Amino acid sequence: AAGVIQSPRHLIKEKRETATLKCYPIPRHDTVYWYQQGPGQDPQFLISFYEKMQSDKGSIPDRFSAQQFSDYHSELNMSSLELGDSALYFCASTLTGGVGTDTQYFGPGTRLTVL
Amino acid sequence: AQSVAQPEDQVNVAEGNPLTVKCTYSVSGNPYLFWYVQYPNRGLQFLLKYITGDNLVKGSYGFEAEFNKSQTSFHLKKPSALVSDSALYFCAVRGLPERSQGNLIFGKGTKLSVKP
Repeated sequence: AAGVIQSPRHLIKEKRETATLKCYPIPRHDTVYWYQQGPGQDPQFLISFYEKMQSDKGSIPDRFSAQQFSDYHSELNMSSLELGDSALYFCASTLTGGVGTDTQYFGPGTRLTVL
Repeated sequence: AQSVAQPEDQVNVAEGNPLTVKCTYSVSGNPYLFWYVQYPNRGLQFLLKYITGDNLVKGSYGFEAEFNKSQTSFHLKKPSALVSDSALYFCAVRGLPERSQGNLIFGKGTKLSVKP
């Protein structure tokens, strides 16, 4: 079965640079979530989208923005990168209102390293 | 506010023995509870969930969890542990129970180590 795809899998950036992370949800899933997992930490919710509209907002810095496109893929844009942004960034998707709607399926993550 | 707690940072068991990974929750409203497993450098894999119905929930890879409302617990169990079960386990609760798009709030995680 198709899973959530994230690209790139690894990304190395310098401080103050920008980064764009991409997420391709499971086909027909309409809801996308972004989470950040710091080293040795639990995943923290950043932001979510449902039907291309922002659904909820968590602890996402103002330097970050995200959107969901017409094909339901999502991109997380990160600017003015800081050392503390180094983390594993997960995307998850679900089909709201469908069978198993409560279950979020996670991608493999993008490991961002800021030097 | 919704929250879950995993009181043990690490659980060690011998292969073939039963295992339990503990989780307690604090919610307003109906609890929507989940267990995920994370292998090193991998994403989170869904194991099982409790939404409503039977208190004993069966999931993937032989895992099950028991929802206990009076003790506000949702412990993960497996009758016979395998070395390959060694991983990081996260308990989670839906942050906004009234909204099916609600984000997940995770516990701190429990590292399970199964020795041969």
